[in-house]
Amino acid sequence: QSVLTQPPSASGTPGQRLTISCSGRSSNIGSNTVNWYQQLPGTAPKLLIYRNYQRPSGVPDRFSGSKSGTSASLAISGLQSEDDADYYCAAWDDRLNGWVFGGGTKLTVL
Amino acid sequence: QVQLQESGPGLVKPSQTLSLTCTVSGGSISSGHYYWSWLRQPAGKGLEWIGRIYTSGSTNYNPSLKSRVTISVDTSKNQFSLKMNSVTAADTAVYYCARDYKMDVWGKGTTVTVSS
Repeated sequence: QSVLTQPPSASGTPGQRLTISCSGRSSNIGSNTVNWYQQLPGTAPKLLIYRNYQRPSGVPDRFSGSKSGTSASLAISGLQSEDDADYYCAAWDDRLNGWVFGGGTKLTVL
Repeated sequence: QVQLQESGPGLVKPSQTLSLTCTVSGGSISSGHYYWSWLRQPAGKGLEWIGRIYTSGSTNYNPSLKSRVTISVDTSKNQFSLKMNSVTAADTAVYYCARDYKMDVWGKGTTVTVSS
């Protein structure tokens, strides 16, 4: 069981806007920033969002992140077929003194 | 541009020690103020953080694995390493190394199977 809680699956059609939630507690999301990763099949995860809403160079602005209290969200606008992937949230946990991850959300673009 | 590459045996027998090395290229492991992490992902499952090391040697470990894991660094070789003892089939996974803080740089991953 993962420390951070994400919905196991999500789906949308091309062009749609979709959000993925990530729920934690005061020791992780409530105290620290959240990162989001995209993992395409058979590849290593790729950093998508860091420090709650910052995008690394090269990540399209269709991807955005937000955080409120002990929850965070990843929004994807203008959904594209190449967004079909697994998405993970992560945060440092002060109580465990380590990184914790969500269980991942499998996004299907219909 | 920093790149990471995992290496090590792909097959380990139960009860033995898993040993992996991550080689950093395109930059010095000692430059910048980075931790360097190990993570793993069993087939079809999510990511699990194993632990991390700073170039000074300071470490943090996942409490659930701490008793079996040691992470070390060799700055002269620009490498950091993972040792996990007393492995079982539950340790079968793809193992990744990553540059910590944002985990913005990842290796491609290496598959480790625990089987006799």
